[in-house]
Amino acid sequence: RKEVEQDPGPFNVPEGATVAFNCTYSNSASQSFFWYRQDCRKEPKLLMSVYSSGNEDGRFTAQLNRASQYISLLIRDSKLSDSATYLCVVIYSGNTPLVFGKGTRLSVIA
Amino acid sequence: GAGVSQSPSNKVTEKGKDVELRCDPISGHTALYWYRQSLGQGLEFLIYFQGNSAPDKSGLPSDRFSAERTGGSVSTLTIQRTQQEDSAVYLCASSEIGLGAFFGQGTRLTVV
Repeated sequence: RKEVEQDPGPFNVPEGATVAFNCTYSNSASQSFFWYRQDCRKEPKLLMSVYSSGNEDGRFTAQLNRASQYISLLIRDSKLSDSATYLCVVIYSGNTPLVFGKGTRLSVIA
Repeated sequence: GAGVSQSPSNKVTEKGKDVELRCDPISGHTALYWYRQSLGQGLEFLIYFQGNSAPDKSGLPSDRFSAERTGGSVSTLTIQRTQQEDSAVYLCASSEIGLGAFFGQGTRLTVV
């Protein structure tokens, strides 16, 4: 199975900090990319899709670098409620399942 | 329904018994996925359906595991002769093909 790799962390940052996560994928033909968030003992929730041109949703910015085969997630002005595990997800083609990274754990500290 | 529904939410079973886990996907979603997650671990892919067919069942850990999907909707994951190592949260998700998936709340399976 093609791999999606993430730094497991934990990333411990103070409130208000900016933090960035990267995720690398192995298949250059990958088609679709997403970031999910998972809180402790909860199901993963779709945070945002990642588009080639990059996209922003409030304090969150996602970018795709096809040449280097990585995606990134930037969180500005971190809140305590941002503490969670962030999962990188790749779809290699329309006929294949979502491939999840193992996640990066973020703790935002007061 | 508005979201993915899984039942039961919790299941405690004795080692050696069979269990069935049910997933009701979001209406109209063609793709359906089963994953499992042990405490503190990442998601482990089990099986993927497009419509009623399963183009990728490579993640099923043994022949004690099987899954089916009928009518392009409800899916059932069956575990026969459960073992203690089967204890985990079993997560179902659905999506339109090629788009991000939405998860149910999972079934927490405990084999005693």
